[in-house]
Amino acid sequence: EDQVTQSPEALRLQEGESSSLNCSYTVSGLRGLFWYRQDPGKGPEFLFTLYSAGEEKEKERLKATLTKKESFLHITAPKPEDSATYLCAVQGGGTSYGKLTFGQGTILTVHP
Amino acid sequence: DAGVIQSPRHEVTEMGQEVTLRCKPISGHDYLFWYRQTMMRGLELLIYFNNNVPIDDSGMPEDRFSAKMPNASFSTLKIQPSEPRDSAVYFCASMRLAGADTQYFGPGTRLTVL
Repeated sequence: EDQVTQSPEALRLQEGESSSLNCSYTVSGLRGLFWYRQDPGKGPEFLFTLYSAGEEKEKERLKATLTKKESFLHITAPKPEDSATYLCAVQGGGTSYGKLTFGQGTILTVHP
Repeated sequence: DAGVIQSPRHEVTEMGQEVTLRCKPISGHDYLFWYRQTMMRGLELLIYFNNNVPIDDSGMPEDRFSAKMPNASFSTLKIQPSEPRDSAVYFCASMRLAGADTQYFGPGTRLTVL
């Protein structure tokens, strides 16, 4: 069974204070690891897909990296508008195509 | 594109009543997913369809839940009878087979069962 653990559960940062969110996973053959952002009262919004260890992707102040056991979402010089819940999900090779297992999420709050 | 459309956005009902949630996926997408999100259990996959055919319903909690996809542009999730523990936010998502495995989520339906 695929498993995803995200840490920390909540993170408070000052504007401009860089940090990282962690996503540890256990899967039988990784097909893909996904990062989503979710604002209160809205559906998850896609950010990145990573497919193999060593892969990195960037979007504005966000950078996602992947190893064989975990993924990091690095946030550089965050702004208050980056405040949201960040969700990590995996698609394992032992599951039906398209089936994602989500972590519990990290609630990020950036103070001005 | 309008994105994934869900209705209603909010539903309040009494225990024992039938509830029907609706979803219109993004045009051209081959896959449709139904998720449930709660504070305790996070985001859980209930069932998903490929080309209108149910592929995996192992996440459907019990026989009170059923889902249909009569055509490529419409799906329903029905709960009958509803119970207070069904209170949650229900999301629909869609994906295109050749679209880098990206699932696009709708705004969700917040269900409250009294």
